[in-house]
Amino acid sequence: GESVGLHLPTLSVQEGDNSIINCAYSNSASDYFIWYKQESGKGPQFIIDIRSNMDKRQGQRVTVLLNKTVKHLSLQIAATQPGDSAVYFCAEGVFGNEKLTFGTGTRLTIIP
Amino acid sequence: SQTIHQWPATLVQPVGSPLSLECTVEGTSNPNLYWYRQAAGRGLQLLFYSVGIGQISSEVPQNLSASRPQDRQFILSSKKLLLSDSGFYLCAWSVNTGNQPQHFGDGTRLSIL
Repeated sequence: GESVGLHLPTLSVQEGDNSIINCAYSNSASDYFIWYKQESGKGPQFIIDIRSNMDKRQGQRVTVLLNKTVKHLSLQIAATQPGDSAVYFCAEGVFGNEKLTFGTGTRLTIIP
Repeated sequence: SQTIHQWPATLVQPVGSPLSLECTVEGTSNPNLYWYRQAAGRGLQLLFYSVGIGQISSEVPQNLSASRPQDRQFILSSKKLLLSDSGFYLCAWSVNTGNQPQHFGDGTRLSIL
């Protein structure tokens, strides 16, 4: 069936370096994508979203890239900080469908 | 601004006991509401969602039920808990206009003994 998945389940990055978290999706009808950050014992926190009419969107220290040709989504975090350590989830949605499909998550660890 | 509240934060219940988890949203009207379960180290499994008062859609057959007695109140219940009901339960809301992010509460950690 359709699914959203991640290439790497864990990622360790030196503090101050940039990190890239990847996500593959298979539902060609998906037109809305979101990245969430989940810290231990808390609910997922919205980071940034992008619609399918865009290829790139930037926020504060984060950039989301969408490649619809290969159905790939990535989250770039610039100048990582210890507080960036968390599990990151991608999610996809289809306009008109009230549900989101979540990936399994990537654990990002920032090494001091 | 909008806020979402879940309680309790942690709960330990014996097998066979009933369950009621409550979620309320403030600062918005007619939101979509969602209940998810998250197993340790895993992704999010959608259990129920609601697009309006009294409207509940169930995603997976299970021992749980949901109700929405008021616009901004979503309740997850069980008459008899099973060991397999243990997990981290998350409530979320979104604006009901399509292609909107879901915003999550801080969850309830449920342990069944």
